[in-house]
Amino acid sequence: AQKVTQAQTEISVVEKEDVTLDCVYETRDTTYYLFWYKQPPSGELVFLIRRNSFDEQNEISGRYSWNFQKSTSSFNFTITASQVVDSAVYFCALSSFNAGNNRKLIWGLGTSLAVNP
Amino acid sequence: KAGVTQTPRYLIKTRGQQVTLSCSPISGHRSVSWYQQTPGQGLQFLFEYFSETQRNKGNFPGRFSGRQFSNSRSEMNVSTLELGDSALYLCASSEGQGKEKLFFGSGTQLSVL
Repeated sequence: AQKVTQAQTEISVVEKEDVTLDCVYETRDTTYYLFWYKQPPSGELVFLIRRNSFDEQNEISGRYSWNFQKSTSSFNFTITASQVVDSAVYFCALSSFNAGNNRKLIWGLGTSLAVNP
Repeated sequence: KAGVTQTPRYLIKTRGQQVTLSCSPISGHRSVSWYQQTPGQGLQFLFEYFSETQRNKGNFPGRFSGRQFSNSRSEMNVSTLELGDSALYLCASSEGQGKEKLFFGSGTQLSVL
């Protein structure tokens, strides 16, 4: 069965601290995609990154970085020098095939990040 | 380009009623997916439409249905509402079927009393 676990329900940090959001996944597929989305208070989910299962290179985008490790089935997300605007709920998701051979997204329950001034 | 637009933003209904939610995807996007978001269950996939055909369906009862029009706009309908249907319903569009880079609307917050 496919599953995404975000063990951290809520995290609170002070501005300028670094913070890492954990994501552990389970899948039997050999080809799959992993995603991170951000959901600010306004409600709409914002795409942050997609990583396919064959690309284990870490990625950095400004203050954001992602660490993908197939050996531990983890796809962790780090925000460096956090800012108040980073306050949101962050979701990790796994794209996997269902019984009908259609791809669908399986979501973690999200981590609520509060960055305090 | 305008983003994904969902209407209405908020909705209050009573048990037993039915409700229709609307979603206008980003111009040029042909795939529309619907998700239910609740604090306890998180995001759960309802269905995906592409070129007016339902291509993928989640594990929801038949009370939940949807459709897509020729202009890619989509509606979802919930009949015989139950208290447990209270949730944020999110619509997402993408360029094609199975394209997982999804663009989400702000959702419709449905409260069933």
